[in-house]
Parts: sequence; structure tokens; C-alpha cells
Amino acid sequence: SQQGEEDPQALSIQEGENATMNCSYKTSINNLQWYRQNSGRGLVHLILIRSNEREKHSGRLRVTLDTSKKSSSLLITASRAADTASYFCATDAYLQFYFGTGTSLTVIP
Amino acid sequence: DSGVTQTPKHLITATGQRVTLRCSPRSGDLSVYWYQQSLDQGLQFLIQYYNGEERAKGNILERFSAQQFPDLHSELNLSSLELGDSALYFCASSGGQGGSPLHFGNGTRLTVT
Repeated sequence: SQQGEEDPQALSIQEGENATMNCSYKTSINNLQWYRQNSGRGLVHLILIRSNEREKHSGRLRVTLDTSKKSSSLLITASRAADTASYFCATDAYLQFYFGTGTSLTVIP
Repeated sequence: DSGVTQTPKHLITATGQRVTLRCSPRSGDLSVYWYQQSLDQGLQFLIQYYNGEERAKGNILERFSAQQFPDLHSELNLSSLELGDSALYFCASSGGQGGSPLHFGNGTRLTVT
């Protein structure tokens, strides 16, 4: 399968703590994207990191990419209850997007 | 609002039947993707169209077919439905350029009884 795999499958933290999710993939990529999904809704794009980048920031989000290990991580700092959602990585290879199985994040107020 | 419209929102039908799901992409987006999301399978890529032409196929069953019309809207046809086809079906669109993010609709929830 060309899908990525997120780890952990589920994560529960207290509000204000940081949340880290990892993604591993199998094929060469042009870029890697992270998406968020609130229960039963469509996915929303969060951040994109290109294959020649190692780290990228957007607000409370920090993404790293290690192409030698075929892995990425998403860090959400100072989490809020509203961050409760599922998070997916998507690998973009030649304009085909393959999603992982997702990490379900619960932020407890 | 992503700008991607999917209809219907919910669909309940019986095994053996055929249904059509419709997607209108975000204005200006040429590429349309279809995904199936079920509880135990995650988000499965089905098929992609770019400006009316099929570009890539994923795990799409032979009972399923899709097309993209000249006005760029797309339809996903599911036939000979089985209980296991019950899932959320998402359409996403993008500009088709490298690095363009996907914009997702809110999905069609299909229940096969």
C-alpha cells in the first residue's frame, strides 16, 4: 500500500499540553501534507512541507520531515479543546494523494 | 466553507441497488478526487480526474465507476451495492498543480441495508 501510517492511533492530553503525532510512509514524495477532520466532516488542510524542507511552522503547528527515514511529525503546541479531531498525513507523489489511517486526538478541558 | 459541494448528504439504499453521488469542485479547480472512508479502512483513494480525463486509479472496485463532465463536476456511480459499501464518500478538488492542497466536501454518507 502507498498509504502512510500515523502513530499513535489515539492520543488523549490535557488542555495546554503539546500533542505530537507521527507519520511514516513508503514511497518517494514531492511533498507531505497534514489534514484535520472533525467527526464526520470533510478533511481540512493544515500545512504542507516539501520534500526539500526539514521543518515548517504555522501558528501553533510545527511539522518536520525526514525523507531518509520516510517519516514526518506534527506538533500542536498549547493544545485547546477545539483541537479535538482526527489528524491525517497525506503523501503527494505525482499529484496522487494517499492518506494514512489517522491519529484521533482528544484534548481534555 | 471549502467550496466543494457534495450531494446528497445522506443516502440509504438496499443491497443490489445502484446510486450516483455528485460533486461540484471548488471554482477554478480542475482536479477531482474520490475517497471512501469506513471505520476499519481509513481513507481509501478511489479515483482521480483532471480536466475531464481519468488521471489515477486507486482501490476502486469494478462495480464502481466515475466520470468528470465538461463543466468539471464529477459523479461516482456505485452499483450492485453490498453491505460493506456502507461508508462516507468524499470528493476533493485541487488546482492540479504540484503542492496544491486538497479541498474536501462534507461527504455523502451511504448506508446499504
